[in-house]
Amino acid sequence: ILNVEQSPQSLHVQEGDSTNFTCSFPSSNFYALHWYRWETAKSPEALFVMTLNGDEKKKGRISATLNTKEGYSYLYIKGSQPEDSATYLCALQGGSEKLVFGKGMKLTVNP
Amino acid sequence: EPEVTQTPSHQVTQMGQEVILRCVPISNHLYFYWYRQILGQKVEFLVSFYNNEISEKSEIFDDQFSVERPDGSNFTLKIRSTKLEDSAMYFCASSVGRSNGYTFGSGTRLTVV
Repeated sequence: ILNVEQSPQSLHVQEGDSTNFTCSFPSSNFYALHWYRWETAKSPEALFVMTLNGDEKKKGRISATLNTKEGYSYLYIKGSQPEDSATYLCALQGGSEKLVFGKGMKLTVNP
Repeated sequence: EPEVTQTPSHQVTQMGQEVILRCVPISNHLYFYWYRQILGQKVEFLVSFYNNEISEKSEIFDDQFSVERPDGSNFTLKIRSTKLEDSAMYFCASSVGRSNGYTFGSGTRLTVV
């Protein structure tokens, strides 16, 4: 059974702080690692899909790295803003279309 | 920007009743999915659908569940005889291909009483 772990489970930061969080997954049977941002009362929104070891992707102030050999991905937010407050989900895609999600990391950015 | 739309947003049903959750995926997407999240738990996979048939299903997706794409645009999830433990937020999603991010709908909150 694939298990995806995210840490920390929640984080409260001040506006302007930079944050990073971790997604750990079994390194065998890896196809892709997805990151989603999920704001309250909205639908999860795709941030990144990463497939290659050493991959680094960036979208504005948010970036992610991937290490498939050791089974982790980091998500960084530079200079957090209140609008970054959301739950950040990572999900492992193994040998099929199915995604196995972590429990999510709830970020609260205080003005 | 194209959206995945789900209806209804909330549904309350009596245990044992049938429910149909409806989704309109993005028109040029080829893969369709249902996921659910029971309160306080992880988002979990139910079923994927490609080329007009189920391509993968989870252990949760037993004989009580079925999916259909009746008219080329709607994608429905039917639960034949709901149980209390089926109460969850159900999400529909679609994607262009296997290597692409999924576009999720905003969910249907199902409450079985």
